[in-house]
Amino acid sequence: GAGVSQSPRYKVAKRGQDVALRCDPISGHVSLFWYQQALGQGPEFLTYFQNEAQLDKSGLPSDRFFAERPEGSVSTLKIQPSEPRDSAVYFCASSDRTGGTDTQYFGPGTRLTVL
Amino acid sequence: QQQVKQSPQSLIVQKGGISIINCAYENTAFDYFPWYQQFPGKGPALLIAIRPDVSEKKEGRFTISFNKSAKQFSLHIMDSQPGDSATYFCAASISSGSARQLTFGSGTQLTVLP
Repeated sequence: GAGVSQSPRYKVAKRGQDVALRCDPISGHVSLFWYQQALGQGPEFLTYFQNEAQLDKSGLPSDRFFAERPEGSVSTLKIQPSEPRDSAVYFCASSDRTGGTDTQYFGPGTRLTVL
Repeated sequence: QQQVKQSPQSLIVQKGGISIINCAYENTAFDYFPWYQQFPGKGPALLIAIRPDVSEKKEGRFTISFNKSAKQFSLHIMDSQPGDSATYFCAASISSGSARQLTFGSGTQLTVLP
């Protein structure tokens, strides 16, 4: 079956531009996570949704970052406005339940470069 | 604060050898420890995971060893193959409560020479 998909796969933005990254989780998956991976580092948590509810946004680095999942499926991570320090790979992950040991399935990521 | 420390940063092993990657954690509330494998251009994929109520878990050529008192855990890859060449991340999470996120180590780039 289809896995987690993300779009675009690559995004180049100029400083100050608004950026929107899309995540299509595995169908029926309740939990959705966003992570940010800087070059040479492990992914770092940004935010977590259970269905449409954003239960944890403690990892969002600033108020320029905003995430939504209005219908409990597709999610969008927005950076408004973007800055060069936001350059990283952004991963979305989903899991089919809400248990803490449920496997998180990661998408291929969006590589964002802000000039 | 780096809650999960991983070493080495890179590792080169001959085909057939044993690859060993180590991680240490600080938060004693962590109670779920997965390992993820990541190939270039791909997202991380779950390889194997352990809960602290056991000291070892084996799946095929992959084994996790867990030392709760030392707050350390390690991944052993037996009979390493060139196809195992990837970046490996240890991670930790708290399985109960509202916190569901994974806290990752910084990764180990494994190269298995043919």
